[in-house]
Amino acid sequence: EAGVAQSPRYKIIEKRQSVAFWCNPISGHATLYWYQQILGQGPKLLIQFQNNGVVDDSQLPKDRFSAERLKGVDSTLKIQPAKLEDSAVYLCASSLGGSTEAFFGQGTRLTVV
Amino acid sequence: DAKTTQPTSMDCAEGRAANLPCNHSTISGNEYVYWYRQIHSQGPQYIIHGLKNNETNEMASLIITEDRKSSTLILPHATLRDTAVYYCIVRVLLYGQNFVFGPGTRLSVLP
Repeated sequence: EAGVAQSPRYKIIEKRQSVAFWCNPISGHATLYWYQQILGQGPKLLIQFQNNGVVDDSQLPKDRFSAERLKGVDSTLKIQPAKLEDSAVYLCASSLGGSTEAFFGQGTRLTVV
Repeated sequence: DAKTTQPTSMDCAEGRAANLPCNHSTISGNEYVYWYRQIHSQGPQYIIHGLKNNETNEMASLIITEDRKSSTLILPHATLRDTAVYYCIVRVLLYGQNFVFGPGTRLSVLP
Protein backbone atom coordinates (compact mmCIF):
# COMPACT_ATOMS: atom_id res chain seq x y z
CA GLU A 1 0.00 0.00 0.00
CA ALA A 2 1.40 3.38 -1.01
CA GLY A 3 1.93 5.85 1.81
CA VAL A 4 1.17 9.54 2.08
CA ALA A 5 3.04 11.40 -0.64
CA GLN A 6 4.27 14.96 -0.18
CA SER A 7 6.15 17.34 -2.43
CA PRO A 8 8.48 19.03 -2.57
CA ARG A 9 10.78 17.52 0.07
CA TYR A 10 12.70 20.74 0.52
CA LYS A 11 12.02 24.37 -0.29
CA ILE A 12 14.02 27.54 0.32
CA ILE A 13 12.35 30.91 -0.24
CA GLU A 14 12.90 34.50 0.72
CA LYS A 15 10.62 36.19 3.22
CA ARG A 16 7.51 37.74 1.71
CA GLN A 17 7.49 35.18 -1.11
CA SER A 18 4.74 32.62 -1.48
CA VAL A 19 5.03 28.83 -1.39
CA ALA A 20 2.73 25.85 -1.84
CA PHE A 21 2.96 22.28 -0.61
CA TRP A 22 1.12 19.31 -2.05
CA CYS A 23 -0.15 16.16 -0.36
CA ASN A 24 -1.63 12.96 -1.78
CA PRO A 25 -3.14 10.88 1.02
CA ILE A 26 -3.50 7.12 1.17
CA SER A 27 -6.25 5.99 -1.17
CA GLY A 28 -9.63 5.88 0.52
CA HIS A 29 -8.62 7.95 3.54
CA ALA A 30 -11.30 10.49 4.28
CA THR A 31 -9.46 12.47 6.93
CA LEU A 32 -6.45 14.61 6.05
CA TYR A 33 -4.29 16.64 8.43
CA TRP A 34 -1.63 19.31 7.94
CA TYR A 35 0.84 19.75 10.78
CA GLN A 36 3.66 22.24 11.30
CA GLN A 37 6.78 21.03 13.13
CA ILE A 38 9.30 23.59 14.29
CA LEU A 39 12.76 22.26 15.05
CA GLY A 40 12.92 20.60 18.46
CA GLN A 41 9.14 20.57 18.97
CA GLY A 42 6.34 18.10 18.37
CA PRO A 43 4.05 18.57 15.37
CA LYS A 44 1.26 21.12 15.76
CA LEU A 45 -2.03 20.78 13.88
CA LEU A 46 -2.75 23.49 11.33
CA ILE A 47 -5.89 22.14 9.68
CA GLN A 48 -7.95 18.96 9.51
CA PHE A 49 -10.23 17.96 6.63
CA GLN A 50 -12.96 15.33 6.50
CA ASN A 51 -13.37 14.63 2.78
CA ASN A 52 -13.35 18.16 1.33
CA GLY A 53 -14.79 19.89 4.38
CA VAL A 54 -12.78 21.62 7.12
CA VAL A 55 -13.16 20.04 10.58
CA ASP A 56 -10.66 22.16 12.52
CA ASP A 57 -8.61 25.14 11.37
CA SER A 58 -8.47 26.93 14.71
CA GLN A 59 -4.65 27.05 14.72
CA LEU A 60 -4.20 28.04 11.08
CA PRO A 61 -2.85 31.62 10.72
CA LYS A 62 -5.50 32.57 8.22
CA ASP A 63 -3.97 35.91 7.34
CA ARG A 64 -1.16 34.12 5.50
CA PHE A 65 -1.94 30.38 5.40
CA SER A 66 -4.60 28.72 3.29
CA ALA A 67 -5.40 25.11 2.48
CA GLU A 68 -7.81 23.31 0.25
CA ARG A 69 -8.78 19.76 -0.50
CA LEU A 70 -10.68 19.76 -3.75
CA LYS A 71 -12.65 16.60 -4.55
CA GLY A 72 -11.75 15.21 -1.15
CA VAL A 73 -8.46 13.68 -2.24
CA ASP A 74 -5.28 15.72 -2.77
CA SER A 75 -4.61 18.80 -0.71
CA THR A 76 -2.46 21.91 -1.01
CA LEU A 77 -1.21 24.18 1.75
CA LYS A 78 -0.14 27.69 0.80
CA ILE A 79 1.75 30.40 2.64
CA GLN A 80 1.56 33.95 1.31
CA PRO A 81 3.56 35.95 2.29
CA ALA A 82 6.09 33.83 4.16
CA LYS A 83 7.81 35.00 7.34
CA LEU A 84 11.08 33.83 8.87
CA GLU A 85 9.18 32.09 11.67
CA ASP A 86 7.42 29.87 9.10
CA SER A 87 10.64 27.89 8.72
CA ALA A 88 9.58 24.38 9.73
CA VAL A 89 8.69 20.94 8.45
CA TYR A 90 5.15 20.70 7.11
CA LEU A 91 3.67 17.26 7.59
CA CYS A 92 0.62 15.81 5.91
CA ALA A 93 -1.20 12.84 7.42
CA SER A 94 -4.29 10.86 6.55
CA SER A 95 -6.58 8.37 8.23
CA LEU A 96 -9.56 6.26 7.23
CA GLY A 97 -11.80 8.20 9.55
CA GLY A 98 -11.47 10.67 12.36
CA SER A 99 -11.21 7.93 14.95
CA THR A 100 -8.47 5.76 13.48
CA GLU A 101 -4.69 6.07 13.53
CA ALA A 102 -3.10 8.58 11.20
CA PHE A 103 -0.32 7.86 8.73
CA PHE A 104 2.20 10.59 8.04
CA GLY A 105 4.16 11.60 4.98
CA GLN A 106 7.86 12.46 5.10
CA GLY A 107 7.15 16.16 5.20
CA THR A 108 8.34 19.26 3.38
CA ARG A 109 11.19 21.16 5.01
CA LEU A 110 10.69 24.88 4.43
CA THR A 111 13.46 27.39 5.04
CA VAL A 112 12.60 31.08 4.85
CA VAL A 113 15.60 33.38 4.50
CA ASP B 1 -1.69 21.56 25.02
CA ALA B 2 -0.56 17.97 25.31
CA LYS B 3 -2.17 16.06 28.16
CA THR B 4 0.86 13.85 28.74
CA THR B 5 4.24 14.15 30.47
CA GLN B 6 7.29 12.26 29.26
CA PRO B 7 10.99 12.36 30.13
CA THR B 8 12.98 14.51 27.77
CA SER B 9 15.51 11.82 26.91
CA MET B 10 16.53 8.24 27.67
CA ASP B 11 19.33 5.90 26.73
CA CYS B 12 19.09 2.17 26.17
CA ALA B 13 21.70 -0.46 25.34
CA GLU B 14 21.28 -2.29 22.06
CA GLY B 15 19.53 -5.62 22.54
CA ARG B 16 18.01 -4.64 25.87
CA ALA B 17 14.41 -3.71 26.49
CA ALA B 18 13.55 -0.03 26.23
CA ASN B 19 10.85 1.07 28.67
CA LEU B 20 9.42 4.50 27.90
CA PRO B 21 7.11 5.97 30.57
CA CYS B 22 4.25 8.37 30.05
CA ASN B 23 2.16 10.16 32.65
CA HIS B 24 -1.44 11.04 31.78
CA SER B 25 -2.96 11.65 35.18
CA THR B 26 -5.93 13.64 33.83
CA ILE B 27 -6.99 11.05 31.26
CA SER B 28 -10.73 10.66 30.75
CA GLY B 29 -12.55 7.34 30.65
CA ASN B 30 -13.06 7.51 26.89
CA GLU B 31 -9.53 8.59 25.96
CA TYR B 32 -7.15 6.14 24.35
CA VAL B 33 -3.36 6.15 24.75
CA TYR B 34 -1.46 6.31 21.47
CA TRP B 35 2.25 6.01 20.80
CA TYR B 36 4.03 7.36 17.76
CA ARG B 37 7.72 7.66 17.01
CA GLN B 38 9.68 9.93 14.71
CA ILE B 39 12.98 8.88 13.27
CA HIS B 40 15.23 11.70 12.13
CA SER B 41 14.02 13.43 8.94
CA GLN B 42 10.89 11.28 8.69
CA GLY B 43 7.26 11.78 9.57
CA PRO B 44 5.81 10.29 12.75
CA GLN B 45 5.12 6.56 12.61
CA TYR B 46 2.22 4.90 14.43
CA ILE B 47 3.30 2.25 16.93
CA ILE B 48 0.39 1.13 19.09
CA HIS B 49 -2.66 2.30 21.01
CA GLY B 50 -4.88 1.04 23.82
CA LEU B 51 -7.70 1.94 26.19
CA LYS B 52 -7.15 0.00 29.41
CA ASN B 53 -5.94 -3.46 28.55
CA ASN B 54 -2.32 -4.17 27.75
CA GLU B 55 -1.65 -4.37 24.04
CA THR B 56 1.08 -6.01 21.99
CA ASN B 57 1.92 -5.96 18.32
CA GLU B 58 4.96 -6.73 16.19
CA MET B 59 6.61 -3.47 17.14
CA ALA B 60 6.00 -3.02 20.85
CA SER B 61 3.95 -3.64 23.97
CA LEU B 62 1.83 -1.08 25.77
CA ILE B 63 1.28 -1.46 29.49
CA ILE B 64 -1.41 0.77 31.00
CA THR B 65 -1.75 1.00 34.79
CA GLU B 66 -5.01 -0.05 36.35
CA ASP B 67 -5.94 3.54 37.22
CA ARG B 68 -4.95 4.54 33.66
CA LYS B 69 -2.94 7.49 34.93
CA SER B 70 0.27 6.27 33.35
CA SER B 71 1.56 3.86 30.75
CA THR B 72 4.79 2.34 29.50
CA LEU B 73 5.82 1.55 25.96
CA ILE B 74 8.15 -1.42 25.80
CA LEU B 75 10.47 -2.16 22.89
CA PRO B 76 11.55 -5.70 23.85
CA HIS B 77 14.89 -5.82 22.04
CA ALA B 78 16.00 -2.33 21.07
CA THR B 79 18.13 -1.90 17.97
CA LEU B 80 20.04 1.12 16.70
CA ARG B 81 17.16 1.76 14.27
CA ASP B 82 14.85 2.38 17.23
CA THR B 83 16.69 5.62 17.99
CA ALA B 84 13.95 8.22 17.62
CA VAL B 85 11.65 10.64 19.42
CA TYR B 86 8.72 8.80 20.97
CA TYR B 87 5.41 10.59 21.49
CA CYS B 88 2.68 9.54 23.91
CA ILE B 89 -0.74 10.99 23.04
CA VAL B 90 -4.16 10.66 24.64
CA ARG B 91 -7.11 10.97 22.31
CA VAL B 92 -10.81 10.38 22.21
CA LEU B 93 -11.96 8.23 19.30
CA LEU B 94 -14.48 10.72 18.02
CA TYR B 95 -15.06 12.45 14.73
CA GLY B 96 -13.01 15.61 14.53
CA GLN B 97 -10.43 14.69 17.12
CA ASN B 98 -6.85 15.18 16.04
CA PHE B 99 -3.51 14.09 17.51
CA VAL B 100 -1.94 16.58 19.95
CA PHE B 101 1.81 16.04 20.16
CA GLY B 102 4.01 17.10 23.07
CA PRO B 103 7.82 17.28 22.87
CA GLY B 104 8.17 13.50 23.36
CA THR B 105 11.09 11.42 24.65
CA ARG B 106 14.30 11.25 22.67
CA LEU B 107 15.45 7.61 22.90
CA SER B 108 19.06 6.88 22.05
CA VAL B 109 19.93 3.21 21.56
CA LEU B 110 23.63 2.78 22.23
CA PRO B 111 25.83 0.03 20.74
